[in-house]
Amino acid sequence: ETGVTQSPTHLIKTRGQQVTLRCSSQSGHNTVSWYQQALGQGPQFIFQYYREEENGRGNFPPRFSGLQFPNYSSELNVNALELDDSALYLCASSLDQGTYNEQFFGPGTRLTVL
Amino acid sequence: DQQVKQNSPSLSVQEGRISILNCDYTNSMFDYFLWYKKYPAEGPTFLISISSIKDKNEDGRFTVFLNKSAKHLSLHIVPSQPGDSAVYFCAASSMKTSYDKVIFGPGTSLSVIP
Repeated sequence: ETGVTQSPTHLIKTRGQQVTLRCSSQSGHNTVSWYQQALGQGPQFIFQYYREEENGRGNFPPRFSGLQFPNYSSELNVNALELDDSALYLCASSLDQGTYNEQFFGPGTRLTVL
Repeated sequence: DQQVKQNSPSLSVQEGRISILNCDYTNSMFDYFLWYKKYPAEGPTFLISISSIKDKNEDGRFTVFLNKSAKHLSLHIVPSQPGDSAVYFCAASSMKTSYDKVIFGPGTSLSVIP
């Protein structure tokens, strides 16, 4: 069984651009969550998708959006990039929704906005 | 406002000794707590959890203690090993929510000196 993978590893964008980050969950995992980890801080919950529908969202503006596909892949899209969006973006998959289900994290995508 | 605090950014411990990592939380709605370990260039991995109905949970060398009245939890690692050197995140959640909105602390970097 392969773990959670993310692409790309690193990305550099300029302010105002749009970016798409990708995540491949573990097979059979119906739930994927996305987190933003700024330097020196812990991961911050962006949103969660369960069976291709968003079912929970943290304190992030609508320019952060996502998609989850039936093949256990998902995307995080960020429009109108700002300098403060520079961070490590982590996705985590779990078998089902709800706190009891262990989350398996990918290695992250490092986004730099210039 | 940080709901989960880890006031020690770093900790150094001799191999074989006990490592104690501390965490405080402010939101009384939290009823499920987790510890994650993160190595460089890898995603966080789940270590141990505790629900608010318990005050202690043990898994091998790792024990988590929860003091609900003080809104404080700690992770004990005995004996500490060099491979335990990593960043440790304390995290909290509510079992009442249907999705995995996990709130992470800023992390403590543990160095175990051989």
